[in-house]
Amino acid sequence: SAVISQKPSRDICQRGTSLTIQCQVDSQVTMMFWYRQQPGQSLTLIATANQGSEATYESGFVIDKFPISRPNLTFSTLTVSNMSPEDSSIYLCSVELPQGNEQYFGPGTRLTVT
Amino acid sequence: QKEVEQNSGPLSVPEGAIASLNCTYSDRGSQSFFWYRQYSGKSPELIMFIYSNGDKEDGRFTAQLNKASQYVSLLIRDSQPSDSATYLCAVRGGKLIFGQGTELSVKP
Repeated sequence: SAVISQKPSRDICQRGTSLTIQCQVDSQVTMMFWYRQQPGQSLTLIATANQGSEATYESGFVIDKFPISRPNLTFSTLTVSNMSPEDSSIYLCSVELPQGNEQYFGPGTRLTVT
Repeated sequence: QKEVEQNSGPLSVPEGAIASLNCTYSDRGSQSFFWYRQYSGKSPELIMFIYSNGDKEDGRFTAQLNKASQYVSLLIRDSQPSDSATYLCAVRGGKLIFGQGTELSVKP
């Protein structure tokens, strides 16, 4: 597996502001993903973070709302823009290692929007 | 729409019993199957994966896959109170799709 860290671990934000979440992995990985887990729900894929190119977004998620960067093979950021209370959720980074098909998750960022 | 279905539970078993968790999926092209354990307030932890029909054992955990029936299960032998968590089934054809999870409660 890999050691994955996320910052911040939690935050409380005001409506209309933006928050950038960082994901750092201790080794180079081929794929990085961003998921959202709303209260009491399962995981929903937001986008695949592509190194050196634009992220690939899933239906219902757009770049203006969730801009993603991936400047290298060990780091990615997700920004939640112009937040509303509906964005209150846990945001999770996951990675897929070069040698396998399995995904491993970071500890998550718990976001509350007031 | 590709779906992964799980009973939401809660599934309650006594300590020492076998817990059986089930999952069905709709995409016949799915190739990889995963079980994650998620404790309350924590992120999902990968505990088993299976790619071929049949059984795969790892300690107290056994994953079973039947592609013809589009069915994957997880058996937990000698269940412990520390196994109490939500178990997420995830299936990958293209992207990884998660079920809603089954809450397992192991009673001492």
